[in-house]
This record gives sequence, C-alpha cells and structure tokens, in this order.
Amino acid sequence: GAVVSQHPSWVICKSGTSVKIECRSLDFQATTMFWYRQFPKQSLMLMATSNEGSKATYEQGVEKDKFLINHASLTLSTLTVTSAHPEDSSFYICSAQTSLAGIPSEQYFGPGTRLTVT
Amino acid sequence: GEDVEQSLFLSVREGDSSVINCTYTDSSSTYLYWYKQEPGAGLQLLTYIFSNMDMKQDQRLTVLLNKKDKHLSLRIADTQTGDSAIYFCAEGGMDSSYKLIFGSGTRLLVRP
Repeated sequence: GAVVSQHPSWVICKSGTSVKIECRSLDFQATTMFWYRQFPKQSLMLMATSNEGSKATYEQGVEKDKFLINHASLTLSTLTVTSAHPEDSSFYICSAQTSLAGIPSEQYFGPGTRLTVT
Repeated sequence: GEDVEQSLFLSVREGDSSVINCTYTDSSSTYLYWYKQEPGAGLQLLTYIFSNMDMKQDQRLTVLLNKKDKHLSLRIADTQTGDSAIYFCAEGGMDSSYKLIFGSGTRLLVRP
C-alpha cells in the first residue's frame, strides 16, 4: 500500500515552453502533498506544500508564478513549470501524506521526474 | 535556522558494518528519519526514531540518537552491495506544516 506515482518519469522540453508533472497517490487519499527539487548529488529542497482544495504554500525563494501547483483532488497534485529555462533542469520529487484521526502519516515519496530543458 | 549535516561519502567492504552519521540543529524535532535513495529513484523510508528514544533496532539497521549532542547515526550490519545508495537523514516536527528538513545525503559504496 501507500504507493505514489509520478508522470512523466523523464521529460525534455525546449526553453520557453511549459511542462506539467503529475503526482498521484494510488491507494490512499493524500490530504497533503509536497514538491521537492533535487540537484545532482545534492539534497532535496522543499519547494511547496499543498493541501487539497487550497492554495499551495511556497518556501522562501520559490517563485509561485513559475512553479504552479494545483492539488485538485485527494489523489492528484500537479506541478507546472512555466516558461522553462535550462536552469530549471532538475529532478522533481513529490510526496504524499494522509492522516488518521488528525494524525499525519509519514510522507510517501514518488519515484521522481527528471526534467531537462534544452 | 534548521540545518542537517552529513558526511558526503562512505566506502565499506561487503560484510562489514556501515555507520552513517548526521547532526541536526532543531531540538524541537519530534521525529528523525533515515531514507535511502537508489540512482534515479525516489526516497524509501528505512526507519525513524522518536526524539525521546535513544536507540531503535530493525533487522540489520540500528539507529542511535544522542539528543544532547543532536547526533543521529544509522548502522547497517553485514552491509551488502545492494545497500549501495545515498542515505538521507531528515528531521521533522509536529507543527502544522509537518515539513521534513533533509541532510545533504551520504553516498554509501559497498565494495565486493
């Protein structure tokens, strides 16, 4: 149980275009989803936290107009990188969290999406 | 601010024990976690420890927590080549955001 998928797993796009990455909780309802960015050989940096039906909370330094997050349902969150540039190339990882009687679960991580902007 | 630090690299021989160390700064953290990341993949939760515990053992994994020194370690007994990966420690609290703060990761290489 507690499987999180991401789609696509790998995407190449041209500079200036937009790319959408999906994060799905397959067998549970995710009240909260997190989006992380990981540069090569570096740690995960939290970009934003999203709760179903409300606006995402972005970490300091993350441009909300560039990284659009939509958490439209309890099983799906999307991250759209708008007007992508080569410096946006990175590994994007989502995680999903559920809760039981108000107590949050651990974060279940997706396999990641590698974005390359040419 | 919150900061989690790890050594970058560890190399051990197959069958030996591995010890990966981590220091953190946020004394209010409720949980401390160890995650494993294999190449090109997401993170897999290995184990976690509550901040009021000193030790937790789970099969080949032993977690030691020194709360006074804010030091966390992960010991892998009888290390196998399949254990080669990047290991991240992370701290998390019980505030409304439940955010995780990750360390920089330790790359473990297991030599045959």
